[in-house]
Amino acid sequence: QKEVEQNSGPLSVPEGAIASLNCTYSDRGSQSFFWYRQYSGKSPELIMFIYSNGDKEDGRFTAQLNKASQYVSLLIRDSQPSDSATYLCAVIDSGGSNYKLTFGKGTLLTVNP
Amino acid sequence: DVKVTQSSRYLVKRTGEKVFLECVQDMDHENMFWYRQDPGLGLRLIYFSYDVKMKEKGDIPEGYSVSREKKERFSLILESASTNQTSMYLCASSFSRLVATDTQYFGPGTRLTVL
Repeated sequence: QKEVEQNSGPLSVPEGAIASLNCTYSDRGSQSFFWYRQYSGKSPELIMFIYSNGDKEDGRFTAQLNKASQYVSLLIRDSQPSDSATYLCAVIDSGGSNYKLTFGKGTLLTVNP
Repeated sequence: DVKVTQSSRYLVKRTGEKVFLECVQDMDHENMFWYRQDPGLGLRLIYFSYDVKMKEKGDIPEGYSVSREKKERFSLILESASTNQTSMYLCASSFSRLVATDTQYFGPGTRLTVL
């Protein structure tokens, strides 16, 4: 069973700080990695994806990927109370011809004003 | 913008009833997915479809079936609902199964309660 592990949290940071969310995965052949944000009672929405080792930046968000360590992270700079949500890490399965996502259980982030 | 809609936001059914959950996407996506989400268990894939009339089992298909007669519509069927199927059900769609960076877009979800 391919696994995606996240710290469930809650992770609490003050407004304006950097929030760091981490994810590890078991399938060494995984190719692409996604971060979704899910507000309470709502469905997941995509923040960004990454497939190359290194950093990828999009506004206040930076995804970091280290395939050798099987580790992907999401940094949120200048955290805002509106960033308070559950963050889901998802990994594309490498097996078969169809690209299915395996999700982690999510990390609950709380940004305190 | 991609739009994925689900037939109901909230649904209450009785044990043993046959339940249909409908999902429609308007972006001509090949792939459609059904997940359930439960506290502490995360998102789990029930079934997915990569073409009309094609389906594949996900991680937890037991007790469910699906139908995809048209490209834009994917239905989840609970043949005989049970209380352990009380959950949030999320539909998603994505453009192509052949693209490794293919993004899944989610519908608003259906919260099903089975009494």
